[in-house]
Amino acid sequence: QVQLQQSGPGLVKPSQTLSLTCAISGDSVSSNNAAWNWIRQSPSRGLEWLGRTYYRSKWYDDYAVSVKSRITINPDTSKNQFSLQLNSVTPEDTAVYYCVREFYGDYGEVRFDPWGQGTLVTVSS
Amino acid sequence: DIQMTQSPSSLSASVGDRVTITCRASQGISNYLAWFQQKPGKAPKSLIYAASRLQSGVPSKFSGSGSGTDFTLTISSLQPEDFATYYCQQYNSYPHTFGQGTKLEIK
Repeated sequence: QVQLQQSGPGLVKPSQTLSLTCAISGDSVSSNNAAWNWIRQSPSRGLEWLGRTYYRSKWYDDYAVSVKSRITINPDTSKNQFSLQLNSVTPEDTAVYYCVREFYGDYGEVRFDPWGQGTLVTVSS
Repeated sequence: DIQMTQSPSSLSASVGDRVTITCRASQGISNYLAWFQQKPGKAPKSLIYAASRLQSGVPSKFSGSGSGTDFTLTISSLQPEDFATYYCQQYNSYPHTFGQGTKLEIK
């Protein structure tokens, strides 16, 4: 059974960097059948996809245009985890952040499962 | 970006009822659509992928249909644990986008 365990601070000051980590058990961050996503949820923006990283002979990443200049998602193969860094945060970045596995089945079907437990990150001084 | 519009935004129903939630995409997405259930304070849970395929472990009372731009999620014989918020998500193209949610409440 695949599980994702999130960690990171719940309070970040404006203009600083939000950093979260998602530890993977039951799968590999280097899997050729998965991509590793960050999604956030806030009352004002709903569920918002932020980006993903994945390995297909080399590492790739994709980011939402809305955060592209500020975001980095990095894999850590030594710890089998991946991380989110969001720079220059403002109160608008206050949200619950989730890590999510995007799994590609044998017949090309795609499933978004499991999700991490979520981390409420508040941007405030 | 592809816009996903769910209707209704909220729905009141009774235990034992059958309900249907609709999701419309602003452009065709084939069958690249997922449904999630979210309870307060919890992460979304995958119910349906590829528009109609049931996630492992999800009871068959949940069913999905549709292709192109119009999709439905049907829940039969509502039980107390089914009262939650439901979201659709398209993954035909990036950025993946979600509907605004449908809150299913007990009447």
